[in-house]
Amino acid sequence: DIQMTQSPSTLSASVGDRVTITCRASQSISSWLAWYQQKPGKAPKLLIYKASSLESGVPARFSGSGSGTEFTLTISSLQPDDFATYYCQQYHSYPYSFGQGTKLEIK
Amino acid sequence: QVQLVQSGAEVKKPGASVKVSCKASGYTFTGYFMHWVRQAPGQGLEWMGWIKPNSGDTKYAEKFQGRVTMTRDTSISTAYMELSRLRSDDTAVYFCARTPAVGWFDPWGQGTLVTVSS
Repeated sequence: DIQMTQSPSTLSASVGDRVTITCRASQSISSWLAWYQQKPGKAPKLLIYKASSLESGVPARFSGSGSGTEFTLTISSLQPDDFATYYCQQYHSYPYSFGQGTKLEIK
Repeated sequence: QVQLVQSGAEVKKPGASVKVSCKASGYTFTGYFMHWVRQAPGQGLEWMGWIKPNSGDTKYAEKFQGRVTMTRDTSISTAYMELSRLRSDDTAVYFCARTPAVGWFDPWGQGTLVTVSS
């Protein structure tokens, strides 16, 4: 099974900051990676697929990069609505798996 | 618009079964896979398996083999997930989510809280 590890687990930042979240896979997953945003009591929302493709309707301040085993999600200028938990997910092979999540908090 | 609407919260006793429904609208139900993902309170996301609505084929995570059954009714564009022999650690929010043949989850249902308690 492929293990996904995100870092950091918690990130404190301010509105306007540039932040980066890292996701590492235990083996190569090519570009078969997605990123989601989840707010309390809500379902996850797709942000990025195929490692770097921005989902329609998602603000351009979100971007994804990477391939193989190391990936990043970057938010170029944090907005108040961006404080949430972020998950990466691999769909290279079954069982599909998620990172443990990164909680983005207001500093 | 594409939408997945799930059934309401459930409270079950240990050893019982629960069946959660997921009604799809806004797209061709048989054209996409339907997956199920769960999230225990305060925890991360755990993939459970999928059903291919046009054939009824299923694939389950090894952890749930023997306890989970995914079915569908194409006449009403609804997928179902039944989990049996419930334990307290099955307490979680259960989500359905659509994918193309291989890929990312989009959209997700709103989630169904299943509480297992004596």
